[in-house]
Amino acid sequence: AQTVTQSQPEMSVQEAETVTLSCTYDTSESDYYLFWYKQPPSRQMILVIRQEAYKQQNATENRFSVNFQKAAKSFSLKISDSQLGDAAMYFCAYRSAGSGGGADGLTFGKGTHLIIQP
Amino acid sequence: AAGVIQSPRHLIKEKRETATLKCYPIPRHDTVYWYQQGPGQDPQFLISFYEKMQSDKGSIPDRFSAQQFSDYHSELNMSSLELGDSALYFCASSLGRREQYFGPGTRLTVT
Repeated sequence: AQTVTQSQPEMSVQEAETVTLSCTYDTSESDYYLFWYKQPPSRQMILVIRQEAYKQQNATENRFSVNFQKAAKSFSLKISDSQLGDAAMYFCAYRSAGSGGGADGLTFGKGTHLIIQP
Repeated sequence: AAGVIQSPRHLIKEKRETATLKCYPIPRHDTVYWYQQGPGQDPQFLISFYEKMQSDKGSIPDRFSAQQFSDYHSELNMSSLELGDSALYFCASSLGRREQYFGPGTRLTVT
């Protein structure tokens, strides 16, 4: 079974600065997907960014980028120019690529609570 | 853009009662997933359906069942409710094996 570990229960950053959230995972599979989801106080789960394991290029979405190190099984999220609206719980998630038409569920880490200081 | 719709948004039940949660996926999405998130916990995968067939099964209790209908909406049926079933229940949908988009969740309180 796959496991996802987020070692930082809480992080704090000043508005407009950069912060990096850590995530490591354990799997014996070679093909999989990794995601970062954001959960603000409203509890809505919002997809932030996605990375395919077969792609060496790190994914980027505006102020959000990842550092994907497949050999080290590491998948960190960098948030640049932090904004007050970035304050939320951030979950790292893993999903097997599988084969055929199967729809595998996500395995989540325990989450990192990100606080933005004005 | 249309999002995943879940109903009801809030539900209060007593122990040993039954509950039915509904999920309407994003139009043209053929895959539905159910997750349970307890207080202060990460979401736990329960079950998924692809093209109306059960596809993957996670930590779903035997007291729970689910199905996906011909119009692709899904229902999660929960029986003999226990206090520990109090949680936020998410439905997510995807087009095939692409990324999953979550609904707003149903908050179930069992008293």
